[in-house]
Amino acid sequence: NAGVTQTPKFQVLKTGQSMTLQCAQDMNHEYMSWYRQDPGMGLRLIHYSVGAGITDQGEVPNGYNVSRSTTEDFPLRLLSAAPSQTSVYFCASSGQSFYGYTFGSGTRLTVV
Amino acid sequence: AQSVTQLGSHVSVSEGALVLLRCNYSSSVPPYLFWYVQYPNQGLQLLLKYTSAATLVKGINGFEAEFKKSETSFHLTKPSAHMRDAAEYFCAVRPGGANSKLTFGKGITLSVRP
Repeated sequence: NAGVTQTPKFQVLKTGQSMTLQCAQDMNHEYMSWYRQDPGMGLRLIHYSVGAGITDQGEVPNGYNVSRSTTEDFPLRLLSAAPSQTSVYFCASSGQSFYGYTFGSGTRLTVV
Repeated sequence: AQSVTQLGSHVSVSEGALVLLRCNYSSSVPPYLFWYVQYPNQGLQLLLKYTSAATLVKGINGFEAEFKKSETSFHLTKPSAHMRDAAEYFCAVRPGGANSKLTFGKGITLSVRP
């Protein structure tokens, strides 16, 4: 049981480049979310999804796009990377709302 | 909208001492509450959760938390700290029902002195 798989684990981008962070889960979970973690800020919600074809914005959505074409996958796209997007990104998934989320191991992104 | 407040960013205790990490929440509907732990350079691991059954919840590694509706609190405790408990701890709230988002506090770093 792989759980939540994120790729890549590390990435360095130049300002203005675009890229996609991949997230896949094999638990048939309805809910999936993307968070970014910055020192002293906790985890802030970027985008989330309650099922295939349904996405919504979280607390800090600007500069990021998502789509959910299948239950398993929830990629996060950075449209034009900026140094302010340097962060650790976590993908998470959950079944019913009274379950906790299961987190991936994270992607450490540096934008130079 | 829901929110979580974790007062203070750092707590230091001696090995064997009581651990108390505070969490207060706000939610317009009865919430589900969670504590997560993050060890250095790792992802988040669920410690325990409150889902409206028992108000005293026991989790992994000897931790427990008590839901107090009147105080809107969900403080995390452990009777005796161990060196391996040094980590960052996050409290999180998730309203019940559809479209419910998980909102985190800013986290507390626990240090354990020998």
